[in-house]
Amino acid sequence: QKEVEQDPGPLSVPEGAIVSLNCTYSNSAFQYFMWYRQYSRKGPELLMYTYSSGNKEDGRFTAQVDKSSKYISLFIRDSQPSDSATYLCAMSESGANSKLTFGKGITLSVRP
Amino acid sequence: GAGVSQTPSNKVTEKGKYVELRCDPISGHTALYWYRQSLGQGPEFLIYFQGTGAADDSGLPNDRFFAVRPEGSVSTLKIQRTERGDSAVYLCASSLTGGANSQAFFGQGTRLTVV
Repeated sequence: QKEVEQDPGPLSVPEGAIVSLNCTYSNSAFQYFMWYRQYSRKGPELLMYTYSSGNKEDGRFTAQVDKSSKYISLFIRDSQPSDSATYLCAMSESGANSKLTFGKGITLSVRP
Repeated sequence: GAGVSQTPSNKVTEKGKYVELRCDPISGHTALYWYRQSLGQGPEFLIYFQGTGAADDSGLPNDRFFAVRPEGSVSTLKIQRTERGDSAVYLCASSLTGGANSQAFFGQGTRLTVV
């Protein structure tokens, strides 16, 4: 079993839909939780960053972390065609080395 | 530079050959990471540099892979005796300090194809 599991895709939604993306993990030492967005043939770019449990909102994006269930989510409201990309969850332990452990990624397509 | 720069963007090599992949991090960033992303997968950690030293090389798959960062800025990932299974996108990332609350910025990657 991988340390980080991400819901398989691909996912196709109409413009304006609410999108829910999820990951589970097994390593209880993970303290930092991130969502990256990756466009085709580009490097990942940081979208949301959360420390420990809780919610964080940034515009149309909300990240949730439930450490007791080892479960994280990303919600996208009023989805736009420009949101079409691969979304990767990533996690790291605390300390000086913040190497990231990524999920497999899910490809989202928002239809106009 | 403005961002993390990786060269070449694409590299095609024959099985058994040696390749070098270069990463130019954001100026002033002390931490540098290499990741490998296979098709349809998330990036997998290879090695982490803090300054000139490899602080964590636990992700290197075998001794054909080696990386250096001699002056604490540019890094080179070296792969000897390439195999078809090495085909992937190799991503480099840098962060200001390397700590868990220090954001990592990724380059666009080098797409390596071993034929």
